[in-house]
Amino acid sequence: AQSVTQPDIHITVSEGASLELRCNYSYGATPYLFWYVQSPGQGLQLLLKYFSGDTLVQGIKGFEAEFKRSQSSFNLRKPSVHWSDAAEYFCAVGSRGSYIPTFGRGTSLIVHP
Amino acid sequence: GAGVSQSPSNKVTEKGKDVELRCDPISGHTALYWYRQSLGQGLEFLIYFQGNSAPDKSGLPSDRFSAERTGGSVSTLTIQRTQQEDSAVYLCASSLAQGTQETQYFGPGTRLLVL
Repeated sequence: AQSVTQPDIHITVSEGASLELRCNYSYGATPYLFWYVQSPGQGLQLLLKYFSGDTLVQGIKGFEAEFKRSQSSFNLRKPSVHWSDAAEYFCAVGSRGSYIPTFGRGTSLIVHP
Repeated sequence: GAGVSQSPSNKVTEKGKDVELRCDPISGHTALYWYRQSLGQGLEFLIYFQGNSAPDKSGLPSDRFSAERTGGSVSTLTIQRTQQEDSAVYLCASSLAQGTQETQYFGPGTRLLVL
C-alpha cells in the first residue's frame, strides 16, 4: 500500500526567505508524486508532478521539487517566498494501475512580513 | 465556467437530516472523485466514478453515504441521517481520464456543518 507523510504541520517563514516543505512516501515501485496547494476557501491546485525522468521538477508559481529515491522523499522548495504563498500544501502519491492518489495531511505555510 | 463547480458552498443542517451535495465536473472529464477534508486532516477518499459507474466505493464511511453520477457529468453525494462527525469540507475533483497520472482538478468544496 502506498502512503505519504508530511512531518511538519505548520511552517513559518519570513517573506523573501527560502522554503522547503518535506514529503516522504512509502511505495515499492516508482511512484507518481504530486504537490498541491490549497488557498483558504479554495479547492486544491496542482503545483507540480513527477512520474519519471529528471528528478528535479519545475512547477507553477516558482516552485520546484526533487525526487530522491534513496530517501523516499519529494520535498517542495521555493527560493523566495511571497506573502501570497501562505496556504496549505499537500503532497500526494499515486502509482501505475491505481486510480486514487493518497494524500498527506498537509503543511500549513505561514508567511511573516 | 471552465472549472469544477460545487453547490452549495456552505450547508448547515440539523443532526438526522439528509443532505445532497452537487458537483459539476469540467466538460469532457470522464473521471470524478469525491473526497472529505476534516479539520486538520488530509483528504479522505470517498468514491470514484469512471463515466457513470463507480468502480471504487471503498472510501464511503458508512451506508448513510451514497453517490451517483448521471450522463457522465453531474454527480450528487447524499448523506442520510447526518451526524455531527459528518461536518467537514467535501471536495469534488475531475480528470480527463482515469489513472493517477491524470491531473485532478478540484472544485472549491462544500462546507457542511451538522448541528
